[in-house]
Amino acid sequence: NAGVTQTPKFQVLKTGQSMTLQCAQDMNHEYMSWYRQDPGMGLRLIHYSVGAGITDQGEVPNGYNVSRSTTEDFPLRLLSAAPSQTSVYFCASSYSSRGLRANEQFFGPGTRLTVL
Amino acid sequence: AQSVTQLDSHVSVSEGTPVLLRCNYSSSYSPSLFWYVQHPNKGLQLLLKYTSAATLVKGINGFEAEFKKSETSFHLTKPSAHMSDAAEYFCVVSDLAPFGNEKLTFGTGTRLTIIP
Repeated sequence: NAGVTQTPKFQVLKTGQSMTLQCAQDMNHEYMSWYRQDPGMGLRLIHYSVGAGITDQGEVPNGYNVSRSTTEDFPLRLLSAAPSQTSVYFCASSYSSRGLRANEQFFGPGTRLTVL
Repeated sequence: AQSVTQLDSHVSVSEGTPVLLRCNYSSSYSPSLFWYVQHPNKGLQLLLKYTSAATLVKGINGFEAEFKKSETSFHLTKPSAHMSDAAEYFCVVSDLAPFGNEKLTFGTGTRLTIIP
């Protein structure tokens, strides 16, 4: 199993550009989520999905869109990049949303995004 | 509302000496608590979790944590530090609210440095 994979590893954008961060998992997990990690702030939830076709907003959703057309894939779209979106982005998955409290989250290696 | 406070942003210990990383939490209901580790330029990996079973929880790589409800603490310890323990450590609380969604809240992280 590859686990959770993310592409690209690094990306530099100019203000106003759009792009999609890719996330895929091969563990048949129901629950997938996107976090951003900023210095001194821990990880903050952007969007999450409890299954194919179902998504919801997290703590910091503005400027980001998601969709979940398959169980495996959960792409994150930046609509019009801003310098405030410079961050490290992590995708995570777990077996079930209903058992979130007891379920281990599996994290991808991250995408380091810089917006100029 | 739930929250988690990691009391030290940076801890340095000598190789072979004990490690103590402190975490206090706030929760309205019955929380689950986790410790995750992040090695440089990597994703997060689960160290251990507490889910209302035994209050002393053993994890991977010799780490353990004790859930103390009266002190609202979940400190992470290891008897003898190893160079490979150098990393960032995150305390995470997950709570279940009536009529609400389960939610993970991350602490801001503690960077552990091991002195040879």
